[in-house]
Amino acid sequence: GESVGLHLPTLSVQEGDNSIINCAYSNSASDYFIWYKQESGKGPQFIIDIRSNMDKRQGQRVTVLLNKTVKHLSLQIAATQPGDSAVYFCAENPPGTYKYIFGTGTRLKVLA
Amino acid sequence: DTGVSQDPRHKITKRGQNVTFRCDPISEHNRLYWYRQTLGQGPEFLTYFQNEAQLEKSRLLSNRFSAERPKGSFSTLEIQRTEQGDSAMYLCASSPPGQGVYGYTFGSGTRLTVV
Repeated sequence: GESVGLHLPTLSVQEGDNSIINCAYSNSASDYFIWYKQESGKGPQFIIDIRSNMDKRQGQRVTVLLNKTVKHLSLQIAATQPGDSAVYFCAENPPGTYKYIFGTGTRLKVLA
Repeated sequence: DTGVSQDPRHKITKRGQNVTFRCDPISEHNRLYWYRQTLGQGPEFLTYFQNEAQLEKSRLLSNRFSAERPKGSFSTLEIQRTEQGDSAMYLCASSPPGQGVYGYTFGSGTRLTVV
């Protein structure tokens, strides 16, 4: 199948280990953020979101951390599984708009 | 199928030809968005509709691109006189009324290759 991104930064982790994917966003006024997962040949799939009035949010096996001081987001995946292999993007929503600005993306490879 | 549907999934065209893509949003969603994604990059916003009104267009949307949503349901994106630089994945998304940017759902995209 086609590849989402051929020259993306790649993070390789052993199955069962925790993964941390980082992202820098651009607009200090952005007030809503999403992490997306994108598999080959598919559109981005929502994983978890966070509003700017929070610094941490937890989901099932995933946690998002927001550091507004340095405009940084991270996605932590616990007990990484083969099905987590994909490209991960952070996206920010600038205030007063209905669009997202996506980061560069990171390819996560889970090694068996 | 209750997801966002895009057609065709793949399109190969010769430079200079016109192409048109279709997006069918989730039925109760009133907002519809088009994004473009080139290899190795994240999706880039092109335009969005609220019902049939096109409310925002990116500077990326050159005068060769036109998008319509005539009845506030499905949308089409047309590219005239295609260029090799138009080769990309064209993604459509929709979101429900009253939720702003929440509840975005993306389709699987149309992969355009201009040869």
